[in-house]
Amino acid sequence: ETGVTQTPRHLVMGMTNKKSLKCEQHLGHNAMYWYKQSAKKPLELMFVYSLEERVENNSVPSRFSPECPNSSHLFLHLHTLQPEDSALYLCASSQEAGLLGGDTQYFGPGTRLTVL
Amino acid sequence: QKEVEQNSGPLSVPEGAIASLNCTYSDRVSQSFFWYRQYSGKSPELIMSIYSNGDKEDGRFTAQLNKASQYVSLLIRDSQPSDSATYLCAVGGPTSGTYKYIFGTGTRLKVLA
Repeated sequence: ETGVTQTPRHLVMGMTNKKSLKCEQHLGHNAMYWYKQSAKKPLELMFVYSLEERVENNSVPSRFSPECPNSSHLFLHLHTLQPEDSALYLCASSQEAGLLGGDTQYFGPGTRLTVL
Repeated sequence: QKEVEQNSGPLSVPEGAIASLNCTYSDRVSQSFFWYRQYSGKSPELIMSIYSNGDKEDGRFTAQLNKASQYVSLLIRDSQPSDSATYLCAVGGPTSGTYKYIFGTGTRLKVLA
């Protein structure tokens, strides 16, 4: 497996469900990101991790909870979501984050989330 | 609020023509600039990155950066129907002790056969 992988690719959940999105990067990068992409809107940065430490939380509601157990894996735990949270959730990685940033980000295929 | 602006399009060009995509950004301390291509239902894939003023060429693609005017553009020569996609401009730079990437909404390109 190469690049950045994400599972599941599609997810439908009710507002009371709890689910998790998984991302894995095979590029040896130190930084990982969660983005949200909604129709007609630019990609919205949600979280940034550098060497398993969260370095950015972009005012994301607490119903989204990230976890980075090591530099290759990133999770997004979801609970009590709202219908407006339906979107494409993209994971990305880059060599560095923080003030060393400027590297190219490589994106996973995304998880298409629908909240009923 | 740092912004990256793109015309949403669609920009329609005939096959074989040059497609010109433009992007302006508001933060003068921006340092890194990227063009991504995104096909419908797929994730963004990198086309070009550019860090210095001037032109950077890669095959049929040329990125142009003008930091004084705060714009970056992407030229696609000999456009093909397979180039039809949404092109995202992304700008990176230091912000409040970290490094952030801001994306534009994208320009939809249609190459007509």
